[in-house]
Amino acid sequence: EAEVAQSPRYKITEKSQAVAFWCDPISGHATLYWYRQILGQGPELLVQFQDESVVDDSQLPKDRFSAERLKGVDSTLKIQPAELGDSAMYLCASSLASSYNEQFFGPGTRLTVL
Amino acid sequence: DQQVKQNSPSLSVQEGRISILNCDYTNSMFDYFLWYKKYPAEGPTFLISISSIKDKNEDGRFTVFLNKSAKHLSLHIVPSQPGDSAVYFCAASDSSNTGKLIFGQGTTLQVKP
Repeated sequence: EAEVAQSPRYKITEKSQAVAFWCDPISGHATLYWYRQILGQGPELLVQFQDESVVDDSQLPKDRFSAERLKGVDSTLKIQPAELGDSAMYLCASSLASSYNEQFFGPGTRLTVL
Repeated sequence: DQQVKQNSPSLSVQEGRISILNCDYTNSMFDYFLWYKKYPAEGPTFLISISSIKDKNEDGRFTVFLNKSAKHLSLHIVPSQPGDSAVYFCAASDSSNTGKLIFGQGTTLQVKP
C-alpha cells in the first residue's frame, strides 16, 4: 500500500540551530501539505503545494520557516533558527487533488528544541 | 478563532456499545468534512468523509451525520472495539478556497474491554 514517507522520525536540536524535514508523497499526488501539530491540538496547515507551486503559506512563519517542492514530487521544510516554541509534530500529507479528496498523512517528525 | 471545535476532550465507552463523537463548526462555507483517527507516534489516518450535499455517510461500523442548519457533525462507531481507542479529529474544508483542512482539537476515545 502506498504511503507518505517522512524523515527523520525524531529530531532533537538546540535553539538557534537549523533543522530540515523531508517528505515523499504518494506517487501521483499533486497536492502536498505540511502541518504542525502541538500536543493537545489538531494539525494546523503551514504550507500547501500544488505540484511545485505554493498555493497557501498564510500560516507559515516566513522569517524562520521555508518550504520547497522543486520538482513537484518530494518536499523539504526548513526552520532556521529553531526556537523553543517550535517543538511539535510536523506532519506531511498528500492528496490527488486539493478539493473533495482525503489527505493521506505520513508518520510525522517529532521535533524537540532545547 | 476556532472554526472547528470538538468540545469533549475525552470519551470512555464499554466494548460493544456505541461511541458518539461530536464536532461543531462556524464557517458556513465549509462543504466537505472528514474524520481522522490518530494513534500515538503515528500520523492521522483517514476514516470517513461527507460532503455537504448529504446528511449521512456510512462505512461499516462508522457513520457520519451532518446537520448543516446546526453546523454540527457526529461520528458514530457501532459496535465499539478496544482497537478503536485513539484520538479522533474532525476536519472541514471549503472547496471553493484552496481546500485546506481545518482541524478540531481532537477527542480521545477509550474503549474498555
